[in-house]
Amino acid sequence: LAKTTQPISMDSYEGQEVNITCSHNNIATNDYITWYQQFPSQGPRFIIQGYKTKVTNEVASLFIPADRKSSTLSLPRVSLSDTAVYYCLVGDGFNTNAGKSTFGDGTTLTVKP
Amino acid sequence: GAGVSQSPSNKVTEKGKDVELRCDPISGHTALYWYRQSLGQGLEFLIYFQGNSAPDKSGLPSDRFSAERTGGSVSTLTIQRTQQEDSAVYLCASSLLQGINEKLFFGSGTQLSVL
Repeated sequence: LAKTTQPISMDSYEGQEVNITCSHNNIATNDYITWYQQFPSQGPRFIIQGYKTKVTNEVASLFIPADRKSSTLSLPRVSLSDTAVYYCLVGDGFNTNAGKSTFGDGTTLTVKP
Repeated sequence: GAGVSQSPSNKVTEKGKDVELRCDPISGHTALYWYRQSLGQGLEFLIYFQGNSAPDKSGLPSDRFSAERTGGSVSTLTIQRTQQEDSAVYLCASSLLQGINEKLFFGSGTQLSVL
């Protein structure tokens, strides 16, 4: 299983852009990178997924450099409601699925007014 | 239903008792997963089911833990002779198919407290 490393916590202010970086040095060729968001008393929720370069959706952007040993989740103009734990997940390979991989401890993002 | 449903939302039990946790996945989803999350920690994979295949039990922490999935839909996670260290949130997730592109849809979890 590809192991991931993320900062334990980050603070930001409303309206700022937040970038959370995840390291995954042992990522395999077939692994995708997926980010989830978790609010208290809820299960994680899918945010974005990518394989290489850049992916953007209505919620976030995901930047993956050419060597794919890291990835950066970018949240534009955060609000108080973006306060949550963010998990970086690296897939286990072609014949298995992302769910079998182990979620790390995540990054606790606190957005302040 | 609209999402993954788990019951009960909270369960308090005494050490040594057995508990059953239920998960009702999104209709049509073939893959189902159980995770455990201790307070302030990440998610620990326990077990997953894919269609009619034998489940992958590689994450179960001990033989006190078991799970079944009936008719390819509802799943029950059973913990026998509960211990205090079993206290955690048990999360269930489902996905449409098994594959690296598949999103996981999680329920809100069952908070288990073993006294």
